[in-house]
Amino acid sequence: QVTLKESGPAMVKPTQTLTLTCTFSGFSLSTSGMSVIWIRQPPGKALEWLALLDWRNDKYYNKSLKTRLTISGDTSESQVVLTMTNMDPVDTATYYCARIPLESDALDVWGRGIMVTVSS
Amino acid sequence: EIVMTQSPATLSVSPGERATLSCRASQSVGTNLAWYQQKPGQAPRLLIYGASTRATDIPARFSGSGSGADFTLTISSLQSEDFALYYCQQYNNWPPVTFGQGTRLEIQ
Repeated sequence: QVTLKESGPAMVKPTQTLTLTCTFSGFSLSTSGMSVIWIRQPPGKALEWLALLDWRNDKYYNKSLKTRLTISGDTSESQVVLTMTNMDPVDTATYYCARIPLESDALDVWGRGIMVTVSS
Repeated sequence: EIVMTQSPATLSVSPGERATLSCRASQSVGTNLAWYQQKPGQAPRLLIYGASTRATDIPARFSGSGSGADFTLTISSLQSEDFALYYCQQYNNWPPVTFGQGTRLEIQ
């Protein structure tokens, strides 16, 4: 069974750095064609992709947020970590991680998400 | 960046009736198009990928069609559990992946 779970702080202060961890099971990020992606969704708004890490350890970022994002993976721990610097109240959102396998190229399994509030 | 436009923003349909949701891309994405369903407080769930392939365990009443820039998600006979938010997403030459703004399917 494939599962993903996001963890991290529920609240951060403006200008702080957010670190989120996606812990997954039931698949390996080393599998050819596999990727893990981070998506966020502000309250009442649409989905926005943030960053992606693929099986070659190649990293891709949303252009508009690239200077603030870092994605990394730990294959042995089955984890993908996302850091976002200089947090602002507009970054308040639910953050999801999801898997993208080669067979579909779509986000076929998602974590439940973690709500992060940015407030002083 | 490819922009995805969904219409209508809200669709009111009665249970048992058919619902047709549209998604248009700002340029061709081939058949690299997925549909997701999201219920309040839940993560999105993959319904359709490759424009028309149902994901695992998705009921046959959900069908997708289209290619290029125009796509449709059809729900043939609406059940109570189908009233939710629906997003389309393109993954042509990704990343980036881009999502539409969503269509809210509500009970008439």
